[in-house]
Amino acid sequence: ETGVTQTPRHLVMGMTNKKSLKCEQHLGHNAMYWYKQSAKKPLELMFVYSLEERVENNSVPSRFSPECPNSSHLFLHLHTLQPEDSALYLCASSQENPRTRSGANVLTFGAGSRLTVL
Amino acid sequence: EDQVTQSPEALRLQEGESSSLNCSYTVSGLRGLFWYRQDPGKGPEFLFTLYSAGEEKEKERLKATLTKKESFLHITAPKPEDSATYLCAVRAEYGNKLVFGAGTILRVKS
Repeated sequence: ETGVTQTPRHLVMGMTNKKSLKCEQHLGHNAMYWYKQSAKKPLELMFVYSLEERVENNSVPSRFSPECPNSSHLFLHLHTLQPEDSALYLCASSQENPRTRSGANVLTFGAGSRLTVL
Repeated sequence: EDQVTQSPEALRLQEGESSSLNCSYTVSGLRGLFWYRQDPGKGPEFLFTLYSAGEEKEKERLKATLTKKESFLHITAPKPEDSATYLCAVRAEYGNKLVFGAGTILRVKS
């Protein structure tokens, strides 16, 4: 496998369910990201992990819980979601300079997980 | 607050009809401006990075330009396979996140 792989590609869940989205990158990058993409809206950055440490949490509701066990894997745990959380969730990775923490800026995205909350 | 505005929201072209997409931005010190292409059912795919006003980059039928306030993505003699959503993003001098625009949906008909 190459690039960034996301599973599942489609997920339908009830408001009381607990599910997880998985992302795996095969690029040797050291930073990983979760973005939310809703129709006709800009991509919203949710979380950033750099060198396995969370460096950004953009006021995301606690019903979204990220986990980064190593530099190749990223999870987004979902629980008691709302219908307005229905969206495309994109994972991305990049190579970041560990000394300056300035990224190479070029993100490689996965194909996304389409989430529908009933 | 850093902001990116893309126009038009949607654009329909005939095959061979050249046009331009606009990306206007306000940012506290530009570290880079990025163009991505997104096909239906896929994640965004990187096209170009521009770093300073006056810079231009080309790839096949696409040419990206940058000024101090905006960037243009020029599409010359487009083909149906150029149909996609084109996303623009900026990174400020300080911070490590990209701020995206809402995108322009391009449809090229044969």
